[in-house]
This record gives sequence, C-alpha cells and structure tokens, in this order.
Amino acid sequence: QVQLQESGPGLVKPSETLSLTCAVSGYSISSGYWWGWIRQSPEKGLEWLVSLHHSASPYHNPKFNSRATMALDMSTNQFSLRLSSVTAADTAVYYCARAKVDQAGAFDYWGQGTLVTVSS
Amino acid sequence: DIVMTQSPDSLAVSLGERATINCKSSQSVLYNVNNKDYLAWYQQKPGQPPKLLIYWASTRESGVPDRFSGSGSGTDFSLTISSVQTEDVAVYYCQQHYNNPRTFGQGTKVEIK
Repeated sequence: QVQLQESGPGLVKPSETLSLTCAVSGYSISSGYWWGWIRQSPEKGLEWLVSLHHSASPYHNPKFNSRATMALDMSTNQFSLRLSSVTAADTAVYYCARAKVDQAGAFDYWGQGTLVTVSS
Repeated sequence: DIVMTQSPDSLAVSLGERATINCKSSQSVLYNVNNKDYLAWYQQKPGQPPKLLIYWASTRESGVPDRFSGSGSGTDFSLTISSVQTEDVAVYYCQQHYNNPRTFGQGTKVEIK
C-alpha cells in the first residue's frame, strides 16, 4: 500500500521560504511515476504547483515557476517542496501526491495534507 | 490557462437517487493522437485529501464502486452517481491534465436531501 506523509513547519513568516517534505512508503520513488505538490485554500481551491520524475526535469506550473522548487531524495524515499518569498496568499493546506497519468494528471495517492500559515 | 467550470455548485439528492455533476472546460482536453480526454474526477470528504475516482474521463479507478461513472468528451463532461449513498456526501472536483498548468474545477458539494 502506497502511503505519503507531509511534514514541515506550520507557520512561515512573510518573505521567507516554505519548506515541506513528503515521506513515501510502499513504493520506491526511483521506480517511476511523477510526484507532485498540490495546495488547497478556500480562496483559490485546488492548485497544482510542481511535479518531478527521477529521470526528468521538473514540470512547473508557470504561476509558481521561479518560486517553487522540488527535489527527490532516493536514499530516503522522500521528496521536498521549497516555495520562496511567501505571502499571506500562500496560506493553504499543502498535499504531496503521485501522478498516475503523465506529469500531473490523475493523482492516485495523496498525503493527508499539512496546513501552512504565512503570518508574522 | 484552461478554466474548468463545474455545475451546479451544490446539489441535494435523496438516498438511492441519481446525481449528475457537470464539468465544462474552456477549451478541448481531447488529445487527437490517442483519442483520450485528459480529464479526471475526485471525491473529497471533510478533513481528507481528494480521492481519485475517474481518469481519462470515463475509466474508473480500481476499488471505486461502479455506481460512479464518467462521461463526455472535448469540453463537456459529467460525473454520475447512479444511486447516491450516505457515504457519497462529499465535494467532487474535475481536473484537466491536457495543458500546463493543470487546473481543477471549483467543486460541487453533494448532500443528502
């Protein structure tokens, strides 16, 4: 059974960098599939940010292109998200997920989500 | 960006009745090379992440009850629950994965009447 679990600070100050980690169990991220980050807020709904495959370049939502970076750590079977220069508009529940189809389509396994609040 | 518009925003259905949720994309998500519609449906219950129900517009994900079905092509799609059960109370989202950025609909809340 594939399981994903997000972790990271729940509070980030404006202009700082949000950093989250997703631990994957039940499947090796080096075996395939694209892995991604999606966030959800009442104001903007569900937003996909970025996806990454172990043998491909990152696939970015142009809206977050320069701010969102993602990395895979095959040794720990984890992947991460860094979102720089955050503002209150980045307050959301952040999910990590596996894409069943192409780079960011039909996400079949999700973490439970972690709430990140941007506030001073 | 492709805008995904769902209708209605909410609907109340009696137990055992049919529920239909519509999703319209601002441009076609049909890929002519493989004749597949790049459209997925999710179910989200309170406090839980979205759960994949349907992909390629009409392919049911493993383990999803057969009362859930997806239809449509091009720009107009539907998710149908043939006989609504209490456990189907949730918000449902469509997502296109044809273009970058991938985008989601605003959600449709299904309640029991």
